Amino acid sequence: DMKVTQMPRYLIKRMGENVLLECGQDMSHETMYWYRQDPGLGLQLIYISYDVDSNSEGDIPKGYRVSRKKREHFSLILDSAKTNQTSVYFCASSADWGGYAEQFFGPGTRLTVL
Amino acid sequence: GDSVTQTEGQVTVSESKSLIINCTYSTTSIAYPNLFWYVRYPGEGLQLLLKVITAGQKGSSRGFEATYNKETTSFHLQKASVQESDSAVYYCALGGNTGYQNFYFGKGTSLTVIP
Repeated sequence: DMKVTQMPRYLIKRMGENVLLECGQDMSHETMYWYRQDPGLGLQLIYISYDVDSNSEGDIPKGYRVSRKKREHFSLILDSAKTNQTSVYFCASSADWGGYAEQFFGPGTRLTVL
Repeated sequence: GDSVTQTEGQVTVSESKSLIINCTYSTTSIAYPNLFWYVRYPGEGLQLLLKVITAGQKGSSRGFEATYNKETTSFHLQKASVQESDSAVYYCALGGNTGYQNFYFGKGTSLTVIP
């Protein structure tokens, strides 16, 4: 079953708290992504991972870091969350990193930072 | 720069009526664009609806069609007769062949089909 899972689905944190968003996939995809989407904007790429411990910044990496210690898991970490990081976060994976590759998305995590 | 512009905001269509969601792209760095339509149903993640990588070709899936028009830099999504189950958010996307750096999503168009 080709699936990307995200935990938690909803999260409320206070400003300054640390946040951990988890993503898993069962397709053995090498490439994984973290995006955020804000109202009225398209998906913005935060980080991309090409494989275990091989991560690159996307378009908006400031305030975020990632960890990928197993191919099937990709975590997004917010150290000391800020209110402007309130957003919906999507994780995705693909069999290839090329811009022609189909991406498989998780259902999203709605994060609210108060 | 590179960008994707699609019908903004919300679109409401009556069941069995036709639909068109406009998408145009602009690129200065991608020699051979790949074009995608993704769809996000309520409570789910985005999923690929259709993809076309060759100019002049048409992609189709689930009754939806889109033709890659290089002259007008467009990739409009059409369906002849929508159903209530088509209610979702639709995203047009543009990708290059050289990696994630050249991949852009539109802002999304929310479609509501009323019975």
